[in-house]
Amino acid sequence: QQQVKQSPQSLIVQKGGISIINCAYENTAFDYFPWYQQFPGKGPALLIAIRPDVSEKKEGRFTISFNKSAKQFSLHIMDSQPGDSATYFCAASIMGNQFYFGTGTSLTVIP
Amino acid sequence: DTEVTQTPKHLVMGMTNKKSLKCEQHMGHRAMYWYKQKAKKPPELMFVYSYEKLSINESVPSRFSPECPNSSLLNLHLHALQPEDSALYLCASSQGQGALGNQPQHFGDGTRLSIL
Repeated sequence: QQQVKQSPQSLIVQKGGISIINCAYENTAFDYFPWYQQFPGKGPALLIAIRPDVSEKKEGRFTISFNKSAKQFSLHIMDSQPGDSATYFCAASIMGNQFYFGTGTSLTVIP
Repeated sequence: DTEVTQTPKHLVMGMTNKKSLKCEQHMGHRAMYWYKQKAKKPPELMFVYSYEKLSINESVPSRFSPECPNSSLLNLHLHALQPEDSALYLCASSQGQGALGNQPQHFGDGTRLSIL
């Protein structure tokens, strides 16, 4: 049973465009929602995270939008660059006891 | 450079071998995790240690044996593995669970394990 559903599975964006990745969850007990970026041969690296009492968080070109009533959250990458090409995972946890990962999105940014 | 260090980076072993994976962090984190990751898949939780005690075992086969000698170190002992165990094994740490939760996990770059 997939606790966190992620879409799309893959995404191709032109340089300078906006990349949008969506995640949805069912368990309303989740209280922490991080996004991870993973390059080939590397471990996942924390990109940005949000708690459910906040509807939006922005760090540089990366923004999380959080819709508590819809149980959805999304990652927006503004001005996408070829260096952003990686696999992105959303995740959710309850009190840090266990992290549930989405299935991942492979992003390719075309120059 | 990641703050969680895993060794070795690559490991090739036969099905009858015994080997160990090592993980070290010096961030003062009290929760440490082992994950298994197959190509193009998300990390799959194996074990969680909280304050050096095993708190979660996700029904992992006994050929994988975790050990937490102290708050900075985490080992994964391997014995009689199968070819389907070939994967990237990731270690992660976080400040802690429960009241200290809601903190990010920090991952190492993993050990690429190949079983012949």
